[in-house]
Amino acid sequence: GENVEQHPSTLSVQEGDSAVIKCTYSDSASNYFPWYKQELGKRPQLIIDIRSNVGEKKDQRIAVTLNKTAKHFSLHITETQPEDSAVYFCAASRNAGGTSYGKLTFGQGTILTVHP
Amino acid sequence: NAGVTQTPKFRVLKTGQSMTLLCAQDMNHEYMYWYRQDPGMGLRLIHYSVGEGTTAKGEVPDGYNVSRLKKQNFLLGLESAAPSQTSVYFCASSEWISGGYEQYFGPGTRLTVT
Repeated sequence: GENVEQHPSTLSVQEGDSAVIKCTYSDSASNYFPWYKQELGKRPQLIIDIRSNVGEKKDQRIAVTLNKTAKHFSLHITETQPEDSAVYFCAASRNAGGTSYGKLTFGQGTILTVHP
Repeated sequence: NAGVTQTPKFRVLKTGQSMTLLCAQDMNHEYMYWYRQDPGMGLRLIHYSVGEGTTAKGEVPDGYNVSRLKKQNFLLGLESAAPSQTSVYFCASSEWISGGYEQYFGPGTRLTVT
């Protein structure tokens, strides 16, 4: 089955700096890579995702890049703000038809702390 | 439109007791999932369902049973709770959007087994 490794486990930055979180996956058939943000005591919420037919996607201060050859993808947050502090999870899935049923395999999570 | 809801929000059980967690969604999604979240381990899939009357095992199914008698509800049961099942449980449902299934999570149930 799929295995997703996420690094680093904790990340501390100053407000205004950039933050980068990296994930690697094992199943070359995976083609959908979402990123979730989870604030303390809350549910995971989708912040951005990328499908395997593109190499980069951007939404305001966040962006995700995908390298299918190397089987890794990354989340980039620019101009970080204290409200970006949360746990971030990457995930991978085979989403193209068949028997995938949208199942997600998650990374272990990264605790991001943005200091004012 | 409430999205995905879960009951209860918190529960404390003694070892050997049983309980059922309820997940409900009002988005008419076919697929539903149960995850558990433990510190440092992300979310792990327990069971999932691809439609009313169907269930299937995920990554960590032992000690749990599920049922999907109605499309909008997905129940997770613990027949004989163990301390190792202390965790936060999240339910999710998904829909097909632009070439991928996007999952929507419920608020979670924090379960402690003593």
